[in-house]
Amino acid sequence: NAGVTQTPKFQVLKTGQSMTLQCAQDMNHEYMSWYRQDPGMGLRLIHYSVGAGITDQGEVPNGYNVSRSTTEDFPLRLLSAAPSQTSVYFCASSYQGPGEAFFGQGTRLTVV
Amino acid sequence: DQQVKQNSPSLSVQEGRISILNCDYTNSMFDYFLWYKKYPAEGPTFLISISSIKDKNEDGRFTVFLNKSAKHLSLHIVPSQPGDSAVYFCAASAGGTSYGKLTFGQGTILTVHP
Repeated sequence: NAGVTQTPKFQVLKTGQSMTLQCAQDMNHEYMSWYRQDPGMGLRLIHYSVGAGITDQGEVPNGYNVSRSTTEDFPLRLLSAAPSQTSVYFCASSYQGPGEAFFGQGTRLTVV
Repeated sequence: DQQVKQNSPSLSVQEGRISILNCDYTNSMFDYFLWYKKYPAEGPTFLISISSIKDKNEDGRFTVFLNKSAKHLSLHIVPSQPGDSAVYFCAASAGGTSYGKLTFGQGTILTVHP
């Protein structure tokens, strides 16, 4: 009964480094998405996917890449980390159509 | 351009009383609305939702009201309990292939005092 699993939970990066945040879901959901949460700004959509092989940009996509080769996995890549990407990142999944999205526990990323 | 706004950063209520959290939206394409609850160091968890074809949805102590003409929704918690203390986010999505794209408000910190 894992739901949405994110790894790692915490990460410190130096400016310019790259890394991949992992997200996996075991509910066979079509939709997967990445959000970032910053103080006073709620959660903002970075990228989303409506199925394997299909991705699109959200509200704040710059500096991030995604791909979806399987239904279960939706990794988020930071190409060259910047201090402005210091944030808490949440992955979510849901069925197509109206309904709740299930969120992972989050990854707290600090870029120094 | 903040399409979903929660204008009260915080709310403090006494245990047993009603908590009312408010949310306003500007995008007329939104047709599905959700409330999430978030504890520190955890992901948001779903509380309750409402479709634009309804004006009220109830689930136990939680009721969501939708006023489409005013583009306003509210979450009522009755009675409030100390365990309800958390950050509450309202979220909205448009229809079709956009149901998975949620637009969130800034959140309201609810504190319920024993």
